[in-house]
Amino acid sequence: AQRVTQPEKLLSVFKGAPVELKCNYSYSGSPELFWYVQYSRQRLQLLLRHISRESIKGFTADLNKGETSFHLKKPFAQEEDSAMYYCAPLTSGGYQKVTFGIGTKLQVIP
Amino acid sequence: DTEVTQTPKHLVMGMTNKKSLKCEQHMGHRAMYWYKQKAKKPPELMFVYSYEKLSINESVPSRFSPECPNSSLLNLHLHALQPEDSALYLCASSSEAGTSYEQYFGPGTRLTVT
Repeated sequence: AQRVTQPEKLLSVFKGAPVELKCNYSYSGSPELFWYVQYSRQRLQLLLRHISRESIKGFTADLNKGETSFHLKKPFAQEEDSAMYYCAPLTSGGYQKVTFGIGTKLQVIP
Repeated sequence: DTEVTQTPKHLVMGMTNKKSLKCEQHMGHRAMYWYKQKAKKPPELMFVYSYEKLSINESVPSRFSPECPNSSLLNLHLHALQPEDSALYLCASSSEAGTSYEQYFGPGTRLTVT
């Protein structure tokens, strides 16, 4: 079965420390993957997608097909990065839809 | 206008009531979505409309009835709900359905069924 795993429900880091939010997937073929973020009292929004290979707000995510991972990384955490982060693959099988992982709450400690 | 709007923000209804949730976007998007989000859980897809036609129904109970009257509007009609249906209902839109198009989310309607 196709599945996405975010192993950490809560990740606490100090300001200025590196951040890595883990995401592993089990999908056949070449999945398309996204990271969505929800800041406190704000709506859910797209952070980045793997096909763009871009850096948004200092975050990057590389698709590693060998490890079936799409970890989100930032070299130096900022307090404003505190939020809920969802890894979301585009699944297929008859039709395409985005399925959200369980989410990881990132807490950046001042 | 680059926002998805949802009304009402909060809704309390009894199990015998009939109510509707409304979602609107004026970005020219041709795909619209309803999600259900329980506390401390990720959003779960309920329905997808593509070009005003229902393209995905994730086996949602019939007490939830979606409607897409035009390309800018999406409604979710509620009837005979159960307390376990209490949740945040999110609407989203994207320029097209599927593929890698970004979904734009509304702020949600917080529904409480008593």
